[in-house]
Amino acid sequence: AQSVTQLGSHVSVSEGALVLLRCNYSSSVPPYLFWYVQYPNQGLQLLLKYTSAATLVKGINGFEAEFKKSETSFHLTKPSAHMSDAAEYFCAVSWMDSSYKLIFGSGTRLLVRP
Amino acid sequence: EAGVTQFPSHSVIEKGQTVTLRCDPISGHDNLYWYRRVMGKEIKFLLHFVKESKQDESGMPNNRFLAERTGGTYSTLKVQPAELEDSGVYFCASSQELPNGFSYNEQFFGPGTRLTVL
Repeated sequence: AQSVTQLGSHVSVSEGALVLLRCNYSSSVPPYLFWYVQYPNQGLQLLLKYTSAATLVKGINGFEAEFKKSETSFHLTKPSAHMSDAAEYFCAVSWMDSSYKLIFGSGTRLLVRP
Repeated sequence: EAGVTQFPSHSVIEKGQTVTLRCDPISGHDNLYWYRRVMGKEIKFLLHFVKESKQDESGMPNNRFLAERTGGTYSTLKVQPAELEDSGVYFCASSQELPNGFSYNEQFFGPGTRLTVL
């Protein structure tokens, strides 16, 4: 069965430091991959998506992610954390032959220290 | 353009009662999805509508849950009777049908309904 694993339920970084949120997936067919962010009291917002084009994907707010098929990973990075990046981040996958429903990881809460 | 809206934002009910959640998708979006996140767990798929038809309801937990999408516009999710384990945040998402017939497109999420069953 397809699944998504996010390593670390909480990640804490200093403002200005590198952000690295890890995501690994298991899938028997090539997936579409996504990162969503949820700010307090808001819905999920799409940060970026991989849909079989370039393996390095740039998203909003300076985030990017790289699809590595050999490692079945899609880690999210940002060179310099900002206080406004504090939120919960979700990695998700979907497939064309599965009604495009999203399978989510358990989420990683990013804390940014001043 | 209005986003996906959900009503109510919060609902507190007692075990055994009935609750109906509503989702209004973005106008023109044929695909509508329901997801749920119970506390401490991942967000899980419940079901998928294409217009008024249920395309995939493999994630519905049991027959206490009934989803409808009358006329292919808004959708309701009824829980009857509610149990303690139904507590969580219920998200709705919608997406456009692409002209080439593939359903994939970005899913836009609503803010969720937080359901608490006491």
